[in-house]
Amino acid sequence: KQEVTQIPAALSVPEGENLVLNCSFTDSAIYNLQWFRQDPGKGLTSLLLIQSSQREQTSGRLNASLDKSSGRSTLYIAASQPGDSATYLCAVETGRRALTFGSGTRLQVQP
Amino acid sequence: GAGVSQSPSNKVTEKGKDVELRCDPISGHTALYWYRQSLGQGLEFLIYFQGNSAPDKSGLPSDRFSAERTGGSVSTLTIQRTQQEDSAVYLCASSPEVGLAKETQYFGPGTRLLVL
Repeated sequence: KQEVTQIPAALSVPEGENLVLNCSFTDSAIYNLQWFRQDPGKGLTSLLLIQSSQREQTSGRLNASLDKSSGRSTLYIAASQPGDSATYLCAVETGRRALTFGSGTRLQVQP
Repeated sequence: GAGVSQSPSNKVTEKGKDVELRCDPISGHTALYWYRQSLGQGLEFLIYFQGNSAPDKSGLPSDRFSAERTGGSVSTLTIQRTQQEDSAVYLCASSPEVGLAKETQYFGPGTRLLVL
């Protein structure tokens, strides 16, 4: 059974700092890995999707990497802003198309 | 364009009552998913519909839970004889099935269910 773990569970940083969120998964037979953002009381917003054949994806200040063989992914956020405060969720897609999610990292960026 | 919509946004019910949760996917999306987000449990998959294929019900926690999708569009998740442990946020997502693993899922805002 696929299990996804995210570290740290919570993170508080001052504005402007670069930061890294970590995600690990137990079964490397994935089709893709996705990073989502969830704001309080809201649904999930997709940030980046990395297909299993890719090593990284970038969008603006966000960069996600994937090392499938070791079962790890990182989300790098450059020059963090208070508007980045949210919960970040990592999810992997296996053959059945349903996503398996980690428990998330709650990020607070202090102005 | 319009995103995934869900109704109601909040639902309070008494233990033992039945509830129906509705999801309107993005127009043209053939795949529809239901997930549940509970405190301490994270986000867990419930059921997946793809076109006219038989749904993947492998995530439904008990036979009190059922879902249908009419006309390949709107979906309803029904919970019968609700229990307090059913209290959670129920999230619906849809995606265009343009190629396995190449397209993300688009999530609705969720329905917050509280069973008293």
